Amino acid sequence: GAVVSQHPSRVICKSGTSVKIECRSLDFQATTMFWYRQFPKKSLMLMATSNEGSKATYEQGVEKDKFLINHASLTLSTLTVTSAHPEDSSFYICSAGPNEKLFFGSGTQLSVL
Amino acid sequence: AQSVAQPEDQVNVAEGNPLTVKCTYSVSGNPYLFWYVQYPNRGLQFLLKYITGDNLVKGSYGFEAEFNKSQTSFHLKKPSALVSDSALYFCAVRPNTGGFKTIFGAGTRLFVKA
Repeated sequence: GAVVSQHPSRVICKSGTSVKIECRSLDFQATTMFWYRQFPKKSLMLMATSNEGSKATYEQGVEKDKFLINHASLTLSTLTVTSAHPEDSSFYICSAGPNEKLFFGSGTQLSVL
Repeated sequence: AQSVAQPEDQVNVAEGNPLTVKCTYSVSGNPYLFWYVQYPNRGLQFLLKYITGDNLVKGSYGFEAEFNKSQTSFHLKKPSALVSDSALYFCAVRPNTGGFKTIFGAGTRLFVKA
């Protein structure tokens, strides 16, 4: 089946630094990818829709300048958390699908000290 | 507003007993319906989907779900629970308006006791 690879699985960084998370579709092309944020014991919050070759679409309340999304190819989308702060610590998950069924990356646990 | 409700934060069931995880939705039209499962520190795994056809759909690991249009529900079921079924379950809905944007419920944690 389709596979979505997300890297890194865990990252610890200092406050004020930037962190990049990669999401790759390994065996299909994804013109659209989705980035979610998950808080402990909470649901997935859709942050943005990543569109290949164009600007990402952000959900209401998500800061575009803090969460930079780049979808430079049909198999790769990146999420960069800029000037990270402790409140950005969370589990970030990407997803994509060759059809109506979404496949999810394994997630990235971000801890900002 | 479009929404998905999972009324139970947690469901406890004994191994071997049937389980039900509830989901209702508020989305116009005929949306696609999904169930996903998440194990600790992992991404979500697809369990099953309903698009059209038979109201009872069968999915992975012996799970099934029943679509009820009049009640706008899509409850997840399994006849005999296993301890290994313990995980976080998400109901999800995709409005049938094109694209892949999906709305998730808050999740229900399932505990299966031996």
